[in-house]
Amino acid sequence: AQSVTQLGSHVSVSEGALVLLRCNYSSSVPPYLFWYVQYPNQGLQLLLKYTSAATLVKGINGFEAEFKKSETSFHLTKPSAHMSDAAEYFCAVSVKRADYKLSFGAGTTVTVRA
Amino acid sequence: DAGVTQSPTHLIKTRGQHVTLRCSPISGHKSVSWYQQVLGQGPQFIFQYYEKEERGRGNFPDRFSARQFPNYSSELNVNALLLGDSALYLCASSLAGDSGANVLTFGAGSRLTVL
Repeated sequence: AQSVTQLGSHVSVSEGALVLLRCNYSSSVPPYLFWYVQYPNQGLQLLLKYTSAATLVKGINGFEAEFKKSETSFHLTKPSAHMSDAAEYFCAVSVKRADYKLSFGAGTTVTVRA
Repeated sequence: DAGVTQSPTHLIKTRGQHVTLRCSPISGHKSVSWYQQVLGQGPQFIFQYYEKEERGRGNFPDRFSARQFPNYSSELNVNALLLGDSALYLCASSLAGDSGANVLTFGAGSRLTVL
């Protein structure tokens, strides 16, 4: 079965600093990988997705992620943090095209310091 | 255009009771999925429905059931509530079919507290 592991349950960054959120996946077949963001009292919003095309994926709000098969990783980055980036971030994986059963990581909470 | 809407937004039940949660997908979306998010954890897949048929079921007991209606809206039912059922229940809709990329659009959720 597929799974993801998010390293670090909490990340604190200064405004303007690099944001790096780590995600490693486990899958016996080529995966589809996603990053979602959840703001307080809201549902999940898709930031970006990897579907076996380009390994560097650009998403919304200045985020991007790189798929590295050799490292089984899909880390999320943003060059310069903004106060509005404070939220919880989830990495997720599925293994079939048009399969809507996603396996989510436990999440990483991002705090942005002024 | 309206997003995925869920009702109620919050509810409190006692152990042993039954609860029904409702979801209306984005217009044109034919698939609805349900996820349970316990505090401090990532969402866990419960069900997926497409064209009124169950297409997937997660590792949840038979106390959990769902259905999809002709207008593609959906209900999640949980019987004999336990304290551990306290969670945020998320509904997500998608175009479904082989549209690729498995993209889900989530609603804001229904927060269930079981006392």
